[in-house]
Amino acid sequence: DARVTQTPRHKVTEMGQEVTMRCQPILGHNTVFWYRQTMMQGLELLAYFRNRAPLDDSGMPKDRFSAEMPDATLATLKIQPSEPRDSAVYFCASGPGQSQSEQYFGPGTRLTVT
Amino acid sequence: AQSVTQPDIHITVSEGASLELRCNYSYGATPYLFWYVQSPGQGLQLLLKYFSGDTLVQGIKGFEAEFKRSQSSFNLRKPSVHWSDAAEYFCAVGALYSGGGADGLTFGKGTHLIIQP
Repeated sequence: DARVTQTPRHKVTEMGQEVTMRCQPILGHNTVFWYRQTMMQGLELLAYFRNRAPLDDSGMPKDRFSAEMPDATLATLKIQPSEPRDSAVYFCASGPGQSQSEQYFGPGTRLTVT
Repeated sequence: AQSVTQPDIHITVSEGASLELRCNYSYGATPYLFWYVQSPGQGLQLLLKYFSGDTLVQGIKGFEAEFKRSQSSFNLRKPSVHWSDAAEYFCAVGALYSGGGADGLTFGKGTHLIIQP
């Protein structure tokens, strides 16, 4: 049963620290998405990649957030420096990039910045 | 810009009763529409999707949804709910990427479903 995996599942850090979240998409999927879920804003698209190239990162705060795909099996989302308002659940999703295909979500990383 | 409205923040339904969760979208072209369910502390699971064709789509767990273009709606229904259906339900809209597959999704704020015994 192929699944999207995310690490860590939980992260508590102090304000100002660097945070790196990792995602392993489903093997063979060429599209990777990053979403953030908060009580106030709900689920928001931060960025996504197709064939490892960034297609849209307009939802991401550029000054502190960065997203990369070092290879086809790993996507990273980094926050530097972190702030309390970054506390949220960060979801990674992957898709096969074919017509009429859906996105498969990982379990999320719950980030708490104190 | 695309948007999704789920007008009901909370809905309480008795076990065995029917369910309808409302979803309205705003999108300038043919939308791709999805319903996801999220249990506490879990990720999102796809219930069903609409891309084209038959406007009544069947999903997992006995759910169905009907796409009504004239009303810009994609309401989710289930004839008889079970206690295990208690969860958060999200409607989402996506665009078609020119090379195939959906772009990033725009989600509604969600509807919290409570099941009364």
